[in-house]
Amino acid sequence: EAQVTQNPRYLITVTGKKLTVTCSQNMNHEYMSWYRQDPGLGLRQIYYSMNVEVTDKGDVPEGYKVSRKEKRNFPLILESPSPNQTSLYFCASRKGNTEAFFGQGTRLTVV
Amino acid sequence: GESVGLHLPTLSVQEGDNSIINCAYSNSASDYFIWYKQESGKGPQFIIDIRSNMDKRQGQRVTVLLNKTVKHLSLQIAATQPGDSAVYFCAENSNDYKLSFGAGTTVTVRA
Repeated sequence: EAQVTQNPRYLITVTGKKLTVTCSQNMNHEYMSWYRQDPGLGLRQIYYSMNVEVTDKGDVPEGYKVSRKEKRNFPLILESPSPNQTSLYFCASRKGNTEAFFGQGTRLTVV
Repeated sequence: GESVGLHLPTLSVQEGDNSIINCAYSNSASDYFIWYKQESGKGPQFIIDIRSNMDKRQGQRVTVLLNKTVKHLSLQIAATQPGDSAVYFCAENSNDYKLSFGAGTTVTVRA
């Protein structure tokens, strides 16, 4: 089954404790991205990658890092999480200029 | 900056009626548009898309209309059902395969 898989689904952490949210897709898509979703703001792009070893900032990249060492994986790294990063996060992948497929989401709470 | 926006944050519809969800976009260079449905606790799911060389596209019970003159996109849902209750997002594809999302419209179907 074609899918984007994120882990974990839920995470509560403390300020400053480094964390990684994993994302994997099995569709051989070149393009992957991370979004955060906050009430009233829709989905805002954090980082994106157009292929292996190619990443770039989206609209709200501050406080986040990503890597793309393999085509299928695109982890999101929070080196020092802060409470304003409490949000619902989605990973997505797409093949060129077509629809994006989304993961189930990761709800992160930073206390 | 350029953005995608929805006209109304909420829409209440009687079961069996038709629904119309509107979206305004501002990037005249956008060439591809998508409507997504997001149910509670899930990631956005593709409903229908349309490219800028078209003005109408129909799917099963859904129709997307694109008016490039006024930069307006709409989603029409025929015979709305309780399962259509969700948040609906429009997205536009601008440069570099970036998808920009509006804030979303919450559709509630009344029995």
